[in-house]
Amino acid sequence: DVKVTQSSRYLVKRTGEKVFLECVQDMDHENMFWYRQDPGLGLRLIYFSYDVKMKEKGDIPEGYSVSREKKERFSLILESASTNQTSMYLCASSLGENTIYFGEGSWLTVV
Amino acid sequence: GENVEQHPSTLSVQEGDSAVIKCTYSDSASNYFPWYKQELGKGPQLIIDIRSNVGEKKDQRIAVTLNKTAKHFSLHITETQPEDSAVYFCAASYGANNLFFGTGTRLTVIP
Repeated sequence: DVKVTQSSRYLVKRTGEKVFLECVQDMDHENMFWYRQDPGLGLRLIYFSYDVKMKEKGDIPEGYSVSREKKERFSLILESASTNQTSMYLCASSLGENTIYFGEGSWLTVV
Repeated sequence: GENVEQHPSTLSVQEGDSAVIKCTYSDSASNYFPWYKQELGKGPQLIIDIRSNVGEKKDQRIAVTLNKTAKHFSLHITETQPEDSAVYFCAASYGANNLFFGTGTRLTVIP
């Protein structure tokens, strides 16, 4: 079974803090994604990566950056967290043009 | 870019009845249409998908239909059970990367 692991399930951070959300996949997938999920808005793509050290902006990249130093790991970074970034963050991975598999999600609250 | 609309936003059915969720998409280039089920506190899980060279696909109690001319696709769940209660998301993409998601349908199966 594909496993996408998000190490932090629940975080509470203060406004202005730098926040790291980590994601690891164990299936040697090329592609990794970070989505944000908000009620009534569905899932929106923040960033994705097709390869190590490669990144592409999604639909809502503002206020976020990413890092992919190793194939299995994709990190989402909030340089200066704001209250409007309170949300559920979902990491995902896929191999080529095949099924995208999601992690369990990270609930971030910014106070 | 692609725009996916999903209806209804909430759906309640009696146990044993059928449930139908409908999605429309805007980009005629889209050729991959997955459906995800998300249970409370968990990440979305793929339940069924269809590619544009197929009009219908079934997997036990779940089926998906695709009408490329009209640009809509639907999820059908027959003989619903309480464990089918969840939020369901449709999505569309060309290839399987960069999925565009609908806003979700909360299905409640009443015992």
